[in-house]
This record gives sequence, structure tokens and C-alpha cells, in this order.
Amino acid sequence: EPEVTQTPSHQVTQMGQEVILRCVPISNHLYFYWYRQILGQKVEFLVSFYNNEISEKSEIFDDQFSVERPDGSNFTLKIRSTKLEDSAMYFCASSPTLTGKKYLYSNQPQHFGDGTRLSIL
Amino acid sequence: KNQVEQSPQSLIILEGKNCTLQCNYTVSPFSNLRWYKQDTGRGPVSLTIMTFSENTKSNGRYTATLDADTKQSSLHITASQLSDSASYICVVSAGGSTLGRLYFGRGTQLTVWP
Repeated sequence: EPEVTQTPSHQVTQMGQEVILRCVPISNHLYFYWYRQILGQKVEFLVSFYNNEISEKSEIFDDQFSVERPDGSNFTLKIRSTKLEDSAMYFCASSPTLTGKKYLYSNQPQHFGDGTRLSIL
Repeated sequence: KNQVEQSPQSLIILEGKNCTLQCNYTVSPFSNLRWYKQDTGRGPVSLTIMTFSENTKSNGRYTATLDADTKQSSLHITASQLSDSASYICVVSAGGSTLGRLYFGRGTQLTVWP
């Protein structure tokens, strides 16, 4: 069964440094998402992405964050200047393509990768 | 405020027994409700998705119910197995113009003992 893959599985970075988290969504999916989960807390939505632009972003997704689909297979999350509180598990997800009315897209399953654990020192 | 609350926070049962997990939500506008299973160190895996018009949905030994009037859902696991030990997360998708934004509960940590 196709999977969403994320690399690296664990990233350790000094505070203030830039970090790029990488995701390869399922090949025929066109809707992409990033979530984060701080240790011991619930999963939180960061951003959704479709047709090479951000569809929606949460209050967490400030100017320090950016997303990009640099080629036909990768989807990246960049944190420009990391802070201690950015330490978390970051999950990428993708949803299948669906023709028809846009509101139906929200009923499609989101397939998650196994996450990248980001540790800021 | 859009919120998803789950109970109990944790649950221990013996292998072979049944259990029911609860979820209450205040997400509006409502699009659908999902139950995910998350093994330790892994990403969430979808178990069921229910829209407003669906009252129940099954996936093997997992049966989810939805009462859209009271904004409650349950996940029933029958004949539990050791591999069912995981966090079970209730997730509500907001409708309207959002592209599938999901609101997560904290999860119920289920432990199945032999």
C-alpha cells in the first residue's frame, strides 16, 4: 500500500538555525498538510496546500514557517529561525485527488507519514 | 472555539474484552468525524470517517457511532487484541471553505493486557 514518507526521522538543530523537513506524499495525491505534535499534547494543524499555494494556515504557522513543493514528488516545511518551542513531532499528510465539488475534498482520508522528531537545542 | 474532547484519558482492558471510547466536539461548521489509531512513534492511521448523515460505520472489529445532534461519537472495539494497544484519536474536520482542516482530540491511550 502506498505510504507517505518523511525524512529525516529525527533532526537535532541549534536554536536559531534553519531546518527543512521533507515529505514525499502518495504519488497521485494533490492535497498536502503539515501537523505538529508537541510531546504529550494533541496533534495541531499547521497548514494545508493545494495547487502550489497555501489553502489554509493556523495561527501557529507564522512568518518563520514556509512550505514548498519544489518538484513533482517532494513537499517541504521550512522553519527559518528555530526556537526551543519548535521542538515537536512534525507530521506530513496527503489526500487523494477527487473531481467534483470542492467541499467533498474535506471528506477524503488524510494519509499520515510517521513524522520527523525535531529537537531544538 | 473548535474543540474535541475525549474520554477516558487512558484505559486498560484484558485481551478478548470489548471497550468503548467517547468523543465530544464543538467544531463548526461540521464536515465529518474520524477515528484514528496511533501506535507509539508512528503517524495516525485512519479507522473510520463519518459524515453528518451517517450514524454508524464499521471497520473490522472497530465500530464508530455518531450523534450529530448531541455532537458525540463513540468507538467500540470488540474482542480486543494485544495489537490494539495504541492511542485512539477522535478527529473532526471543519466544513465550509476549509480544505479538510482537522481538529484533534488528545486521544485515549488503550492498553490491552494478555
